[in-house]
Amino acid sequence: ETGVTQSPTHLIKTRGQQVTLRCSSQSGHNTVSWYQQALGQGPQFIFQYYREEENGRGNFPPRFSGLQFPNYSSELNVNALELDDSALYLCASSSTGTQYFGPGTRLLVL
Amino acid sequence: GEDVEQSLFLSVREGDSSVINCTYTDSSSTYLYWYKQEPGAGLQLLTYIFSNMDMKQDQRLTVLLNKKDKHLSLRIADTQTGDSAIYFCAESISVRLSSGTYKYIFGTGTRLKVLA
Repeated sequence: ETGVTQSPTHLIKTRGQQVTLRCSSQSGHNTVSWYQQALGQGPQFIFQYYREEENGRGNFPPRFSGLQFPNYSSELNVNALELDDSALYLCASSSTGTQYFGPGTRLLVL
Repeated sequence: GEDVEQSLFLSVREGDSSVINCTYTDSSSTYLYWYKQEPGAGLQLLTYIFSNMDMKQDQRLTVLLNKKDKHLSLRIADTQTGDSAIYFCAESISVRLSSGTYKYIFGTGTRLKVLA
């Protein structure tokens, strides 16, 4: 196990709702990255937080936002959910480059 | 552009060797990674290779890197039924040089099926 935890494990929402996903990073890691993995695809980079600031962003709209806290845990918020947001959301923590992934949160949007 | 390609499926018999291939596009990638994903689970780091290396061996796993052709492979010796999973290669790309942080670009994954 990596020491990276995510909650909840599963979530069902309806279109238009908002969702918050949580990630606790591995001890000693100051960087958290979030990825979206649609069914049958590889993970896609959403954004990264380093020392509580957004450090880089992939090709995702502004309704995907995040936070990092002083203890380096992180949240991913998605507003105005769409059906295509249904996916496995993975967070990964790192300190020197190698990223260690949590088990993911599976989000289903109906 | 940022693109990583893998073949979709591989089927081998138990005890044989498996070779999973990957091509990537960003020549500035410092590290290249292999992850394993079992059904319904997150990504498990298997191994990685630094871009100035040609080969890395780790127990049953051998990684070969051809930097000129931007080709990466993962060989699993004596493949077991427990190796059945999806295997992802990933290249690391700098997000911001000043912070030394990286994002990963993943391939679509190769589904390995091991037949008993």
